[in-house]
Amino acid sequence: ETGVTQSPTHLIKTRGQQVTLRCSSQSGHNTVSWYQQALGQGPQFIFQYYREEENGRGNFPPRFSGLQFPNYSSELNVNALELDDSALYLCASSPGGPMNTEAFFGQGTRLTVV
Amino acid sequence: DQQVKQNSPSLSVQEGRISILNCDYTNSMFDYFLWYKKYPAEGPTFLISISSIKDKNEDGRFTVFLNKSAKHLSLHIVPSQPGDSAVYFCAASASTSYGKLTFGQGTILTVHP
Repeated sequence: ETGVTQSPTHLIKTRGQQVTLRCSSQSGHNTVSWYQQALGQGPQFIFQYYREEENGRGNFPPRFSGLQFPNYSSELNVNALELDDSALYLCASSPGGPMNTEAFFGQGTRLTVV
Repeated sequence: DQQVKQNSPSLSVQEGRISILNCDYTNSMFDYFLWYKKYPAEGPTFLISISSIKDKNEDGRFTVFLNKSAKHLSLHIVPSQPGDSAVYFCAASASTSYGKLTFGQGTILTVHP
């Protein structure tokens, strides 16, 4: 059974550009959540996807958007990148629907905006 | 507005001794609490959790205590081992949105041999 995998592991982008981060959820997990972890901080909830629809969103602007595919994998898209978007982006998958607290995290994508 | 706080950025203990990591929360809607451990270059891994209907939960060397009136929880690791050295995050969720976890800032635990 493979765990949660994210790609790429590291990425450098220029301010104003757009970026897409990818996440393959753990086998059988139908819910995916995305978190942003700034340096020295805890992860912050961006949004959650269940059955290919957004199911809850944290305090992030609309330029943060996502997708979930029929195989439960997911993408996080960030438009008009800002320097403050530099962070570790974590994907977590859960079995049994959005009310399940058991979240399994990937290793993250380290995004640097210059 | 930091709803979950871990006020100790770091903790250093001797191998074999007890490690106590603390966490405070402000949102009274939180009713499920979790601890995650994170090694460098890895994602957080689930350690132990507790529901608000309990005040203690044990799993091997790890015990979590919840004091609802004080809105405080703690993680005890006994005995501490060098392999426990990692960043520990406290997280909370509410029954209205269990899938959304609110994390503290983390505490770096170093266990010295």
